This record gives sequence, C-alpha cells and structure tokens, in this order.
Amino acid sequence: AQSVTQLDSQVPVFEEAPVELRCNYSSSVSVYLFWYVQYPNQGLQLLLKYLSGSTLVKGINGFEAEFNKSQTSFHLRKPSVHISDTAEYFCAVSDRGGYQKVTFGIGTKLQVIP
Amino acid sequence: DADVTQTPRNRITKTGKRIMLECSQTKGHDRMYWYRQDPGLGLRLIYYSFDVKDINKGEISDGYSVSRQAQAKFSLSLESAIPNQTALYFCATSDPGTTGPREQFFGPGTRLTVL
Repeated sequence: AQSVTQLDSQVPVFEEAPVELRCNYSSSVSVYLFWYVQYPNQGLQLLLKYLSGSTLVKGINGFEAEFNKSQTSFHLRKPSVHISDTAEYFCAVSDRGGYQKVTFGIGTKLQVIP
Repeated sequence: DADVTQTPRNRITKTGKRIMLECSQTKGHDRMYWYRQDPGLGLRLIYYSFDVKDINKGEISDGYSVSRQAQAKFSLSLESAIPNQTALYFCATSDPGTTGPREQFFGPGTRLTVL
C-alpha cells in the first residue's frame, strides 16, 4: 500500500517570498513521485515528476522539488512566488509496475498575498 | 482545442435522479480514469479503464457505474443520485506506452450538485 501526506492544507505567502510545500509518502515498494497544480476552475496539470537520478527535479514555472529517500519526502519549492502561483498543489505517488496506481495527497492551497 | 473534454461542466440535480457525465479525449490514450474531488479529501479514484474491454473499480465505486463506448469516450453514471455525491468530478487519461512515470492528463472537471 502507498500513501501521501501533505502536511499543510493552506500556505499563505507574500509575493516574491520563497515557499516550500511539504509532502511525505509511504510505500513498501519503489515509487515515482509527482507534483500537480490545479488553478481555479481548471483540471490538474503536471508540475514535475521524479523517476531516479538527481534528487533535485526542476519543473515548470520555476518550481523544483527535492527527493529525500531517507526522510521519504518530496517537498516542492519556489524561490520567489508570483500572484499567478495562487493555486492548489497536489503531491502524488505511484508504484513502478505496469499499472502505476496513483495516490494523491489531499492538496495544499497556496495563497500568494500582494 | 482541449485534449480532454467533459460535459456538462456544471449540473444541478435532485436526489434520486439518474445522471451521466461524459468524457472525451483526443490524445489517443488507452487508459482513462474518473476521480472525484472533495475539499479536504483530495482526489479519489472511482473507476478506471485500460481499454474498451477492461474496466475496473477504484476505491469509491459504490453508487457509480461507467461505460467505455470507444477508446476516446468514458462515461460516468450515477444511477440514483444522493446529496453526498455532490463533488467535483474529473476525467483523466494516461499513455501506457510511456516508459517511466506516466503523467495523467485531466479534463476541466464537472461540478455536480445533488439537492
């Protein structure tokens, strides 16, 4: 079984400040890791994904995430946020088998304050 | 044009009514999914289909049924809607031919309210 924990349901941050959205996962097998973003009134879209190799993964819109195997974490970061980053962010995990069953976290709402 | 479309985008209905939500995709993907999103609960999988002849229950399939009419179309039905099925419903697709982690591509969602 696999699970995802997003530790913060809401994160307010001032514009141009850095932000970190936290994600921890649990799985008995090796996994792939993802971050998706949901802008208001839209579906989810992929920000970035982790397969293997470098633990620092760069995604779209200046976001990056760091995989930490010992802490089973995959935190999302951005050094300077913009108003347009206001959205809900979902961490997700999948197994590495043929099906790749995906489990989503409950989401973190990022509110960028002008 | 959007790759994954959902109709209707919004629907208000009454308890006991039969409702169908439709999803179409032009991505050519074999795998399709239905999720519901509830505040504080994230996304939960209702049904998934690997191809036209392969349909599987997800974690919360009770009260729902699906039909895969073609590779491009996957419909979700609520046979007798109840208020706790009020939620935002998403259709998604993925490409099984992709090596490594497979991205899911989401439609814009259908907001369903059951009174």
